[in-house]
Amino acid sequence: EAQVTQNPRYLITVTGKKLTVTCSQNMNHEYMSWYRQDPGLGLRQIYYSMNVEVTDKGDVPEGYKVSRKEKRNFPLILESPSPNQTSLYFCASSLNVGTGYNEQFFGPGTRLTVL
Amino acid sequence: DAKTTQPNSMESNEEEPVHLPCNHSTISGTDYIHWYRQLPSQGPEYVIHGLTSNVNNRMASLAIAEDRKSSTLILHRATLRDAAVYYCILHPWADRGSTLGRLYFGRGTQLTVWP
Repeated sequence: EAQVTQNPRYLITVTGKKLTVTCSQNMNHEYMSWYRQDPGLGLRQIYYSMNVEVTDKGDVPEGYKVSRKEKRNFPLILESPSPNQTSLYFCASSLNVGTGYNEQFFGPGTRLTVL
Repeated sequence: DAKTTQPNSMESNEEEPVHLPCNHSTISGTDYIHWYRQLPSQGPEYVIHGLTSNVNNRMASLAIAEDRKSSTLILHRATLRDAAVYYCILHPWADRGSTLGRLYFGRGTQLTVWP
């Protein structure tokens, strides 16, 4: 089944404790992206990757890191999480953003709480 | 970055048509108009997209103004399952200063469907 998976689905952690949220897709998509969703603010893009080894900042990249060493994986790294990073996170992938037809497939979400 | 403006919320009765508006006055000639929706407790899902002409698919229709500065997503017969947040986003199909992958979802329109 074609899908985007995220792990963990739920995570409670403490301030300053490094964590990684994994994202994997099995559709051979070139494009992958991370979003966070907060009440009243909609979806905001954190980072995106056009292809392997190519990443770029979205609207709210501060406090996050990403890497794209292989096509299928796009982990989101919080080196020193803070309470304002408590949010619902979505990973998405798309075949190719260069065509205009860019149906993004979203993962189920990761709910992160930083105490 | 080209952005969109949508009403915060709209309501409809079941089996009635729904017209969800979106303003995108700064749209570029290289921007596709995409619509996604997010059902409760799920990640967003693709609904429809278009460039200049009106589009129909099994889920909805997309009506695009002649000047492309606005568009309307049309649900022909709303059902309770259509209750969701609907996002209108612009997606470039050609690179504009390295913003090809940068997508702005905004807050969307919360659609309530009454039985």
